[in-house]
Amino acid sequence: NAGVMQNPRHLVRRRGQEARLRCSPMKGHSHVYWYRQLPEEGLKFMVYLQKENIIDESGMPKERFSAEFPKEGPSILRIQQVVRGDSAAYFCASSPSMGGGSPLHFGNGTRLTVT
Amino acid sequence: EDKVVQSPLSLVVHEGDTVTLNCSYEVTNFRSLLWYKQEKKAPTFLFMLTSSGIEKKSGRLSSILDKKELFSILNITATQTGDSAVYLCAVEDAGGTSYGKLTFGQGTILTVHP
Repeated sequence: NAGVMQNPRHLVRRRGQEARLRCSPMKGHSHVYWYRQLPEEGLKFMVYLQKENIIDESGMPKERFSAEFPKEGPSILRIQQVVRGDSAAYFCASSPSMGGGSPLHFGNGTRLTVT
Repeated sequence: EDKVVQSPLSLVVHEGDTVTLNCSYEVTNFRSLLWYKQEKKAPTFLFMLTSSGIEKKSGRLSSILDKKELFSILNITATQTGDSAVYLCAVEDAGGTSYGKLTFGQGTILTVHP
């Protein structure tokens, strides 16, 4: 019973490059959430997606960040032209349905380092 | 804007001690309060609380919610070194499309010495 799978576990990018983070939800889960944890800070909501739909992106920076959850394949969080301030741990979580009262289950995260 | 404040920020105890972690919150439309344990990797789910005054218990860990005073506590009895972790408290807003959108506190770093 695989949990939420994220890859890569660690990603190093130079300033100005693009970062792509992948998340495969738990089997049977069609709702995906991305959270960011900056050093010494708590987890912050970024975006909530269902298959082929962005439901709530109120926590996503307006520029350089985008997310998708296609009909087939994992959810992708894309950061263009990365800057040092993007260095953080990015966690993905999934749930089986909206409003089902199920807690979120998180993946192990991708630790992004921008040099 | 929803807000969660945890205290203390850090705590150092010895094995066998009992600890109480605090979480106070402000949320527009309360749906649930959750506790997670984070040990350098994924936050691991501990408890979800929706009703006031009902204690949730799992082994040496227990938690209770007070919706009137807007706080929750997490108790750990007979602590072990394996309990060393960051404990995260989060609230879920029930409004609109916000299901699963959690607001986290900054966490309490618990260190248990042998």
